Formats: sequence, structure tokens, C-alpha cells
Amino acid sequence: NAGVTQTPKFRILKIGQSMTLQCTQDMNHNYMYWYRQDPGMGLKLIYYSVGAGITDKGEVPNGYNVSRSTTEDFPLRLELAAPSQTSVYFCASTPDRGHGYTFGSGTRLTVV
Amino acid sequence: QQQVKQSPQSLIVQKGGISIINCAYENTAFDYFPWYQQFPGKGPALLIAIRPDVSEKKEGRFTISFNKSAKQFSLHIMDSQPGDSATYFCAASMSTDFGTGTSLTVIP
Repeated sequence: NAGVTQTPKFRILKIGQSMTLQCTQDMNHNYMYWYRQDPGMGLKLIYYSVGAGITDKGEVPNGYNVSRSTTEDFPLRLELAAPSQTSVYFCASTPDRGHGYTFGSGTRLTVV
Repeated sequence: QQQVKQSPQSLIVQKGGISIINCAYENTAFDYFPWYQQFPGKGPALLIAIRPDVSEKKEGRFTISFNKSAKQFSLHIMDSQPGDSATYFCAASMSTDFGTGTSLTVIP
């Protein structure tokens, strides 16, 4: 049982480049989330999904896009990377809102 | 608007002491209150959670105390150990917000 798997673990991007952060869960959870965590700070919600085909913006969606074509996968797309997007990105899932989240191990992204 | 408010921001406790972290919420519709533990370089992990039908839940050295009338819940770590040094976050069901986090340092 792998839980929530995120790839890559580390990535350095140049300003203006694009990339996709991958997130896969094998627990058949309906709800999936993308958070970013800046050094010494809390978690800020970027996007979330309540099921395949349904996505919605969180607190800090600008510069990001998501899709949810299957229950398992919830990729996060960064277009035109900016230094402000340097952060650690966490994907999480839960079966419904009355349960705890399972987090992935994170992707540490640096934009230079 | 932050749905859950957490305090303190940081906490230093001697080994063997009690660590207490507090969280307050506004929405009375919330019905699940978890605490997460995050070690440096790792993702947060669910530590312990409580539902509002009980006032306390204990798992080993970790206890959640829940005060429904005050809309507050707290995490108590008994006999704190250096290995408990981590950042702790509270949250509440139906909200995607997490508390701002408490950095706990347990001094040997």
C-alpha cells in the first residue's frame, strides 16, 4: 500500500519554464489537495478536487493549473515558473471531509 | 479567513515535561478535529484526532482535549521526548485550512 506518491522529489527550474508535479494515490480516495509550504510557514491550499472531473481553486491558485481525469491522479501544472513559486509542494488525499489527510512526501521546487 | 487559529507559534519544553498546543475554531458544523505532526523534510502525518461527541481522546503519550462550548481543542504531549521535536498542525473537517503550526523543541 503506497499511499500518496509524489514525483519528482526535487526539481530546479529556470524562470519561465513549465513543469508538472505528479501525485498518485492508491487508496481510492475521492478528495485530493495540493498545498504549498514555504520555509517555516504553514500550508496554503492551491487547488483541490472532490472527485474525478471536478476541481476548484484554493487560496493561492495563480500560476498553477490542475486536472483530475481519474480518481488516482491529480497532477499540478506550473506554467511560466517564477521565483515566488519556490516552495515545497504537498499532495494529500482523504476519503471524505470527516477523515484525516494522507500526505505525500513532497516535491521541493526551486525556481532560479 | 483562517478557519482554525493555533497557538503558540513555538514551544520549548524540557524532556519529561508536558507540551500543550491550542487550537480554536468558529464553525460549529465542524465535526472532526485532527492534529498532524511534521518532521523536517517530511510531509505532515496524522497524529491523533477527535470527534465532538467526546471531550478527550488519548493515544499513548498524546491526548486531545475538546471543549465544545469554548470551540477549542488542544494537544497534550505527556513525558515529552526529544524525538517529539517537530511542527504540529491542527485542522478541522469541512475546512481545508490548517493552523499556522507550532514548532516544538524538547530539550534533553
